[in-house]
Amino acid sequence: EDKVVQSPLSLVVHEGDTVTLNCSYEVTNFRSLLWYKQEKKAPTFLFMLTSSGIEKKSGRLSSILDKKELFSILNITATQTGDSAIYLCAVERNNDMRFGAGTRLTVKP
Amino acid sequence: NAGVTQTPKFQVLKTGQSMTLQCAQDMNHNSMYWYRQDPGMGLRLIYYSASEGTTDKGEVPNGYNVSRLNKREFSLRLESAAPSQTSVYFCASSVDTPGTGELFFGEGSRLTVL
Repeated sequence: EDKVVQSPLSLVVHEGDTVTLNCSYEVTNFRSLLWYKQEKKAPTFLFMLTSSGIEKKSGRLSSILDKKELFSILNITATQTGDSAIYLCAVERNNDMRFGAGTRLTVKP
Repeated sequence: NAGVTQTPKFQVLKTGQSMTLQCAQDMNHNSMYWYRQDPGMGLRLIYYSASEGTTDKGEVPNGYNVSRLNKREFSLRLESAAPSQTSVYFCASSVDTPGTGELFFGEGSRLTVL
């Protein structure tokens, strides 16, 4: 059965720390992997990864995909309290998108 | 610039009651989706619609029905609500066929079934 597994499930850090969030997957008909950030309400899009080894970067956030080992990581450097959220990993297959359970990140001042 | 709009935002039902969650998008997207989100479970796909007039089951369709009324609107109906359907429901849309790009989400509808 297809699955997307995120780790850790929750993480508490202090401002300024660097964090790495993990997403591993086993899906048929893989198309791409996406990362979303969910604060209080709707998930918002961060990155879409389709090729191995190519880092996507946006400010302090970056992500990379390894299609051989079937995982992706999301890095956040110099964390801020505004980074506190649930980070969702999703894998696109034919016809739909399968989500992981999410990592709840809490950044303390 | 509304994006994806869901109503209602909150609803409390008694077991056995029925209700419909409404969703509309103004981005001219072809595909629309209904997800539910439960603690520790992530987002799970209930139903999706790749185009007007078509609907398909997702991962957890039991107990739900959907209607793609037109290109803009996609509704989710609970015919006989059960406590296991207590959840936060998200409607989403995407430009093209499912599995080909970013999803745009509504703000969610919190449903409690007593």
